Amino acid sequence: DTAVSQTPKYLVTQMGNDKSIKCEQNLGHDTMYWYKQDSKKFLKIMFSYNNKELIINETVPNRFSPKSPDKAHLNLHINSLELGDSAVYFCASSQGPPSGRNTGELFFGEGSRLTVL
Amino acid sequence: KQEVTQIPAALSVPEGENLVLNCSFTDSAIYNLQWFRQDPGKGLTSLLLIQSSQREQTSGRLNASLDKSSGRSTLYIAASQPGDSATYLCAVRSYGANSKLTFGKGITLSVRP
Repeated sequence: DTAVSQTPKYLVTQMGNDKSIKCEQNLGHDTMYWYKQDSKKFLKIMFSYNNKELIINETVPNRFSPKSPDKAHLNLHINSLELGDSAVYFCASSQGPPSGRNTGELFFGEGSRLTVL
Repeated sequence: KQEVTQIPAALSVPEGENLVLNCSFTDSAIYNLQWFRQDPGKGLTSLLLIQSSQREQTSGRLNASLDKSSGRSTLYIAASQPGDSATYLCAVRSYGANSKLTFGKGITLSVRP
């Protein structure tokens, strides 16, 4: 009964390929996120969706395209992979943006380790 | 722009010691602050969340405090155990519909038996 699940957990691919990472949450949350953790272990937000609508889009190359088919899913598609895309990508969810009704506490998936050769 | 700092980057202590992990942030207009634990090759586990109106939160041997005006939080771990060895990350949440969590780089804790 994993709360936030990501697939695949490991992905090894060649430069120039296109790949996708999928994320699903069964917490009934409205908001989902993608974070990137680089080789120095620094976590940085990439995207956030609330009720399938994009609300945060940090400075990320447009080779990265998130897609939210419904509130429980947020997938990340990466075109023309580059060496620098190698990282661990974390999906997370929260009840919603912070408000008087919810804490905005984030719950993370186990991560998807992408290695680009 | 919010910046979160955690110093030192690594810490090694003998088992049984009480210890304090520090976190500082530059913009005091935060909605809440969350402490996470990350084990090698794993995801992040939420440990404690402190709302901006709160001063501290406790869970078992863990106690987190928040001083918003000075931009500081501490995570206190009592009677440390080897199983506490992990990386501890502090993150602050901004206000608004575009609210996001800004992370520190983490403190890697090693508790020696």
